[in-house]
Amino acid sequence: GQQLNQSPQSMFIQEGEDVSMNCTSSSIFNTWLWYKQDPGEGPVLLIALYKAGELTSNGRLTAQFGITRKDSFLNISASIPSDVGIYFCAGQLLGRAAGGTSYGKLTFGQGTILTVHP
Amino acid sequence: SQTIHQWPATLVQPVGSPLSLECTVEGTSNPNLYWYRQAAGRGLQLLFYSVGIGQISSEVPQNLSASRPQDRQFILSSKKLLLSDSGFYLCAWSFGFGGRGYTFGSGTRLTVV
Repeated sequence: GQQLNQSPQSMFIQEGEDVSMNCTSSSIFNTWLWYKQDPGEGPVLLIALYKAGELTSNGRLTAQFGITRKDSFLNISASIPSDVGIYFCAGQLLGRAAGGTSYGKLTFGQGTILTVHP
Repeated sequence: SQTIHQWPATLVQPVGSPLSLECTVEGTSNPNLYWYRQAAGRGLQLLFYSVGIGQISSEVPQNLSASRPQDRQFILSSKKLLLSDSGFYLCAWSFGFGGRGYTFGSGTRLTVV
């Protein structure tokens, strides 16, 4: 099946620094998504990318869908303490279940644990 | 607006006991539903997904099963829990093909002792 390599596995940064993390895949995806998970909670969608080469921002977050459709990166500018958490990339591949129903099964990266020191 | 509810939030069960985790979605119809497991706060492993009532697809062989008795209800079960079943279980839903990604519940922390 699809494999996603997310790096780095963890980051320890000072408040105010910029952060960059990325994901690569052995095969293409139709959609790339970035999620953030706070401790003890479910992941929350941050940014969704739908076209190769697309660059999208959400506040201090910027993400790009790689031209080859096999990679994506997420940048966080001017980090703050509440940015702490686990960030997941996810690739989405469209498929079709028995009976013709479409579904978009997500494959997740292993996550990047971000720690921000005040 | 759509909401997803998952319960219980935490659960401690002895080895060999049965399990039933429930997930319900409100504010939409015919959602795609998913069960994920997360070990040690890291990657998410897809266990089951469902595109309709009674339609369950299993992603990995395991000691667990899933059922969808109603359109917006998804249940994760086990007849006899193993120690290795411990983990953080997440339910999620998506519109149709899920082009907007998934929306996750708040999770259930299961500890098998």
